[in-house]
Amino acid sequence: DTGVSQDPRHKITKRGQNVTFRCDPISEHNRLYWYRQTLGQGPEFLTYFQNEAQLEKSRLLSDRFSAERPKGSFSTLEIQRTEQGDSAMYLCASSSGQGSSGNTIYFGEGSWLTVV
Amino acid sequence: AQTVTQSQPEMSVQEAETVTLSCTYDTSESDYYLFWYKQPPSRQMILVIRQEAYKQQNATENRFSVNFQKAAKSFSLKISDSQLGDAAMYFCAYYSYNNNDMRFGAGTRLTVKP
Repeated sequence: DTGVSQDPRHKITKRGQNVTFRCDPISEHNRLYWYRQTLGQGPEFLTYFQNEAQLEKSRLLSDRFSAERPKGSFSTLEIQRTEQGDSAMYLCASSSGQGSSGNTIYFGEGSWLTVV
Repeated sequence: AQTVTQSQPEMSVQEAETVTLSCTYDTSESDYYLFWYKQPPSRQMILVIRQEAYKQQNATENRFSVNFQKAAKSFSLKISDSQLGDAAMYFCAYYSYNNNDMRFGAGTRLTVKP
């Protein structure tokens, strides 16, 4: 399967701990996105990479959140000193950025975080 | 900033019937993309259909079609011959060239009755 993959799918952590999620985009997609989704809501944009460069960051992305895409392939999203309000599903998505379908964004299955 | 509004939190349709889901958006941009995504209970977002704003012709994908009214900033999704597998949350989304990000509506939960 060559879709967007995310790991772990589920994470339960104690408040104050750090967590890291990994995303592997579709091969050769140079754009990578992170979104956050809570129950009953649509996904909210967090950040966007074009290759290894982080080009956009939402104000939702507080100082406790950091995202990287060191080699322009996979990406990590780290949350430090987690709070209960961080409980959500973190969605990764990618797009090729090229051609007529380059702006179509394909999503992974998400990483579900529960902070207890 | 662009906003996307889905005014129908829940919709219901009888199997084999047709249903239309509404979406409106607010933007000052002239070129953009619009999408409908489906999110079943498994929670993976699946692309249903997309529309380029510069195209006047409404997009269609098998049983799914859109009614794109650019001046009214309206983008509704019509599902024909509804099937049980169509039951899911449906999200309307706006993609901005300027920001390279996608904004979603709050979603419409579609129930399909056998």
